[in-house]
Amino acid sequence: DAGVIQSPRHEVTEMGQEVTLRCKPISGHNSLFWYRQTMMRGLELLIYFNNNVPIDDSGMPEDRFSAKMPNASFSTLKIQPSEPRDSAVYFCASRLGQGANTGELFFGEGSRLTVL
Amino acid sequence: AQSVTQLDSQVPVFEEAPVELRCNYSSSVSVYLFWYVQYPNQGLQLLLKYLSGSTLVKGINGFEAEFNKSQTSFHLRKPSVHISDTAEYFCAATLTGTASKLTFGTGTRLQVTL
Repeated sequence: DAGVIQSPRHEVTEMGQEVTLRCKPISGHNSLFWYRQTMMRGLELLIYFNNNVPIDDSGMPEDRFSAKMPNASFSTLKIQPSEPRDSAVYFCASRLGQGANTGELFFGEGSRLTVL
Repeated sequence: AQSVTQLDSQVPVFEEAPVELRCNYSSSVSVYLFWYVQYPNQGLQLLLKYLSGSTLVKGINGFEAEFNKSQTSFHLRKPSVHISDTAEYFCAATLTGTASKLTFGTGTRLQVTL
């Protein structure tokens, strides 16, 4: 099993540029989560999907952030335009079921974003 | 709204010593509770979870945690730590019967030295 695959692992960009982070969940998992990790705020849930449908995006910081899941095997998190305060590690995670008691949350290795 | 509090940001400990990492949650309803570990430059992986039943939960790598409803705590313990246990540990909770939103604590850095 390949696990949750995220790309890119590292991204350095300049303020104002568009950033797209990608995630491939574990095959067969139908819940997908995007988290952001910073020293100041810890792990924050940005958005999660069940069966490709966004369920809760209340954690998305502002309109500059958007996430899509066009099919069960792919999701993107886009930041446009990016700002230095967006610098963080972005994690994607997937789970087999919808409820928290349905299985373990599997995390990818993260995408480290630096906005100059 | 529920929240998860990890009281210690860092815990230094000598190898082979016991360790306890503290976690408290605030919620007016029942919760599911989890501990995750994050090694440097890696994602999080599940150590153990409490969903129901026995309040003492055993996980991987010799860790265990005890759910205490009256104290709203879910402290993580290991009787004898190894250098390889050096990592960041996160407590997390979600409301039972809900669709799955997991709230994480701020993490505790466990530093094991010789």
